Amino acid sequence: LAKTTQPISMDSYEGQEVNITCSHNNIATNDYITWYQQFPSQGPRFIIQGYKTKVTNEVASLFIPADRKSSTLSLPRVSLSDTAVYYCLVGPSGAGSYQLTFGKGTKLSVIP
Amino acid sequence: DAGVIQSPRHEVTEMGQEVTLRCKPISGHDYLFWYRQTMMRGLELLIYFNNNVPIDDSGMPEDRFSAKMPNASFSTLKIQPSEPRDSAVYFCASSPTGLFTKAFFGQGTRLTVV
Repeated sequence: LAKTTQPISMDSYEGQEVNITCSHNNIATNDYITWYQQFPSQGPRFIIQGYKTKVTNEVASLFIPADRKSSTLSLPRVSLSDTAVYYCLVGPSGAGSYQLTFGKGTKLSVIP
Repeated sequence: DAGVIQSPRHEVTEMGQEVTLRCKPISGHDYLFWYRQTMMRGLELLIYFNNNVPIDDSGMPEDRFSAKMPNASFSTLKIQPSEPRDSAVYFCASSPTGLFTKAFFGQGTRLTVV
């Protein structure tokens, strides 16, 4: 599975857009990029998944450049409730891939 | 749907005792996963099942750990005997189909072994 690197922590003020970048230089052709969010005392929650270009849902956007060696999770106008740890995962979608290896993640702190 | 249900939410036990953690996956989900989370090691996959069959248990730390899934709606993770280093939050997750798609996690069981 591709190794990922993301910042350990980030701070942001309420109402700002937050971009969290994840590096995955050895991403394979059939790998997808998936982001999870974890609040304190809760299990991780799926946010968004993509393969290339841009994916948007009601929670976030995911930007993936053409070389796919990195990806950026974008959270629009964050609020205090967005304070959480965000994990970037990279792996294939086929059989045998379900390691779902979570790294340390990025701890996002939203400041009033 | 109530989501993935784990019990108990908290467990405190003495070293050497047997501990059993329980999980009820979301109905219709073919995959079930057990994870362990600690500050030092983060979130680690212990074992996962597909259609009640254990597929990969390479993450199980040692023979003291065992997991079963007797039917599609129930799974257990047992630690016998427990040790202080087993203290962690244990998560169960389930997924409907395919791999690396959405996995739904339970609230976790916080285990403290004293």
